[in-house]
Amino acid sequence: KAGVTQTPRYLIKTRGQQVTLSCSPISGHRSVSWYQQTPGQGLQFLFEYFSETQRNKGNFPGRFSGRQFSNSRSEMNVSTLELGDSALYLCASRSSGNPFDTQYFGPGTRLTVL
Amino acid sequence: KNQVEQSPQSLIILEGKNCTLQCNYTVSPFSNLRWYKQDTGRGPVSLTIMTFSENTKSNGRYTATLDADTKQSSLHITASQLSDSASYICVVSESGYSTLTFGKGTMLLVSP
Repeated sequence: KAGVTQTPRYLIKTRGQQVTLSCSPISGHRSVSWYQQTPGQGLQFLFEYFSETQRNKGNFPGRFSGRQFSNSRSEMNVSTLELGDSALYLCASRSSGNPFDTQYFGPGTRLTVL
Repeated sequence: KNQVEQSPQSLIILEGKNCTLQCNYTVSPFSNLRWYKQDTGRGPVSLTIMTFSENTKSNGRYTATLDADTKQSSLHITASQLSDSASYICVVSESGYSTLTFGKGTMLLVSP
């Protein structure tokens, strides 16, 4: 079974631009979560989608948004990029919304904002 | 506010030696605690998951302990190998929610 895939792996943008990141979960997994990882803050939860509905949202500004498609693939969008948005963005999937299910992480998208 | 604190921040040990990483949390009500290993440039990989009623769980050379009363967990690595060099992240899940609270991780370097 293929793992979680994220595209692109690396991205360079400038302040004020917007960016869309993509995540394909493991086949059959219906829950997709997004995380931001920075050296100073560690991993921080952005949001979780389950069956195309946002179930939980972390403490991030409205510039960060996401969606999930009927095939469980998910996209995350960041508008009006700031220098502080430079981070590794990780996507994780699990088979259901059960918190005991193991989350499987993708390799991440490294976003650099100049 | 839910918090997860890990110590030490970083650690260097010689190959073959044992080490113990610590995790203290304030997440309540508690559901489960996981330890993840994250190699440089890759996503985290789950090592163990422990619920309230479990106080020890092993995965090969990795043994996690949990004291739900003191809200402390540890990850013990036995006979370390060079491939154990990674960041180890403690993650606590709040009961009834799927939101996770992450520690900032312990960076372990195993030296030959």
